[in-house]
Amino acid sequence: NAGVTQTPKFRILKIGQSMTLQCAQDMNHNYMYWYRQDPGMGLKLIYYSVGAGITDKGEVPNGYNVSRSTTEYFPLRLELAAPSQTSVYFCASSYKGQAPGTQYFGPGTRLLVL
Amino acid sequence: AQRVTQPEKLLSVFKGAPVELKCNYSYSGSPELFWYVQYSRQRLQLLLRHISRESIKGFTADLNKGETSFHLKKPFAQEEDSAMYYCALSIGAGNKLTFGGGTRVLVKP
Repeated sequence: NAGVTQTPKFRILKIGQSMTLQCAQDMNHNYMYWYRQDPGMGLKLIYYSVGAGITDKGEVPNGYNVSRSTTEYFPLRLELAAPSQTSVYFCASSYKGQAPGTQYFGPGTRLLVL
Repeated sequence: AQRVTQPEKLLSVFKGAPVELKCNYSYSGSPELFWYVQYSRQRLQLLLRHISRESIKGFTADLNKGETSFHLKKPFAQEEDSAMYYCALSIGAGNKLTFGGGTRVLVKP
């Protein structure tokens, strides 16, 4: 199993551009999450999903959108990139019934908005 | 609202010395707390959970509800313990986590 995969690893965007960060998991997990990590800070939850077709906002959802059409994929969309969105983005997954707090993380996507 | 605080951004200790990483939380419900670790060039991974009362890689953590703390301890630090450590609180349905700001541990030879 590849676990949680994320693409791209690194991206530079200009202000106002849009992009989609890809996340996939092959563990058949029903829960998936997007976090951002700013320099020197902890991870903050952007959006999460408890199953295909179900998404909900986390702590910092402004400027982002998500969709979950299948169990495997959970893309994160930035519509109008702003310098404040410069961050490292982590995708994670877990499954219902698993021991609480256990999430499996991807390697992260580093995004620089200039 | 829930909050997790790790007051130390950096802890530098010598090999063989004890190390303690502080974590304080605020949460109105019954807390479930965890420690995650990220070694260099590796993914963030779960280290231990309070409910298991386990020792992983020599680390232990005790939940103190009176002091709202969940400090991580190891009596004899090793160089391979050098990493970034995050305290996290599980909140609500969906297994969501609130993370602290992280503590970087550097174990010197």
